Amino acid sequence: DGGITQSPKYLFRKEGQNVTLSCEQNLNHDAMYWYRQDPGQGLRLIYYSQIVNDFQKGDIAEGYSVSREKKESFPLTVTSAQKNPTAFYLCASSIGGRTITGELFFGEGSRLTVL
Amino acid sequence: SQQGEEDPQALSIQEGENATMNCSYKTSINNLQWYRQNSGRGLVHLILIRSNEREKHSGRLRVTLDTSKKSSSLLITASRAADTASYFCATDARPNDYKLSFGAGTTVTVRA
Repeated sequence: DGGITQSPKYLFRKEGQNVTLSCEQNLNHDAMYWYRQDPGQGLRLIYYSQIVNDFQKGDIAEGYSVSREKKESFPLTVTSAQKNPTAFYLCASSIGGRTITGELFFGEGSRLTVL
Repeated sequence: SQQGEEDPQALSIQEGENATMNCSYKTSINNLQWYRQNSGRGLVHLILIRSNEREKHSGRLRVTLDTSKKSSSLLITASRAADTASYFCATDARPNDYKLSFGAGTTVTVRA
């Protein structure tokens, strides 16, 4: 079955540590996205990528980094510079190709808690 | 920045009743989409309406779009307990942004 796989589902981090969230898709989509969700605030865009080896900052990129070395993979690193990283992180993909943004397909999310 | 805002923030209805929620946005759009999220899960796409469309149906869902008022509504008819979820609108702003901006969502509870 085609879809998006995020791992791990739950992650605990000590302050000062970097952690990497995995996102893999087998939908052959060009575009991939990372969103952060906090209670009552909806989704906020962290980074997005329209094509391999290219990505752009979203609205809240500070303290995060990404890479897009393969079409199917878009890992997100939450660095120690992110002061309030406890949140639910959602990865998504769409057909992309620098056209009007169509339907997004989401993974099941990764819940990060800072201890 | 969040482009869309949903109203109301929360809605509680009896099974069989209709649920209506609204979305307002700030800038011109290419399209507007609605998504559903069950608690602790990823979002699922429900419907996409283009800026030149005024109404769209999908099963028990009816979406309207008024670009002059920069607003959209989602109607769920004959609600079921399984419709209990949060609903989000998302917009693709003009000129092409190649990304979606989401509102804060409406939480719908359907009582059996």
